[in-house]
Amino acid sequence: EDKVVQSPLSLVVHEGDTVTLNCSYEVTNFRSLLWYKQEKKAPTFLFMLTSSGIEKKSGRLSSILDKKELFSILNITATQTGDSAVYLCAVFREGGGSQGNLIFGKGTKLSVKP
Amino acid sequence: NAGVTQTPKFRILKIGQSMTLQCAQDMNHNYMYWYRQDPGMGLKLIYYSVGAGITDKGEVPNGYNVSRSTTEDFPLRLELAAPSQTSVYFCASSYLGRISEAFFGQGTRLTVV
Repeated sequence: EDKVVQSPLSLVVHEGDTVTLNCSYEVTNFRSLLWYKQEKKAPTFLFMLTSSGIEKKSGRLSSILDKKELFSILNITATQTGDSAVYLCAVFREGGGSQGNLIFGKGTKLSVKP
Repeated sequence: NAGVTQTPKFRILKIGQSMTLQCAQDMNHNYMYWYRQDPGMGLKLIYYSVGAGITDKGEVPNGYNVSRSTTEDFPLRLELAAPSQTSVYFCASSYLGRISEAFFGQGTRLTVV
């Protein structure tokens, strides 16, 4: 069975800290890796990664994919309380079955304290 | 620019009642999905569809049914609601053939009492 594993499952930091969230995957017929942020409502899209070694950046958030080692990281620098959320990693694959073609990890719950 | 629209946003059902959660997308996406998310937990796939007339079971299909008569609509039917179906339900869509993200609806918070 294909899987997406996120670590840590939860993390508590203080404002200003830098955090790194991890996502590893074992997925056949990989197409892309997605990062979402979820704050008590629907997930909102952050990044999509398809190629190794190319960093995607948006403000204080950045992400990179390593297709050889099958993982991605999401970095958040100078964290703010508004970054508190669950961060979801998902992988698109070609295929179906009971997992479908979009497989989510369980998420990392980030809490940023003032 | 609607994207994925889910209705209703909130609903309380009594045990044994039935209801349909509506989901519509206007992006001509072929893939559509239904997930449920219990408090503090991740997303669990209920059903998905790869196109009109084609549906497949996900990880937790029991107690639910779906149909996909058009590309735009993917309703989720709950028959004989049970307290275990209390959850937040998300509909999503994506496009096969062009690599892009999955788009989510705003969710339906369902309570079965």
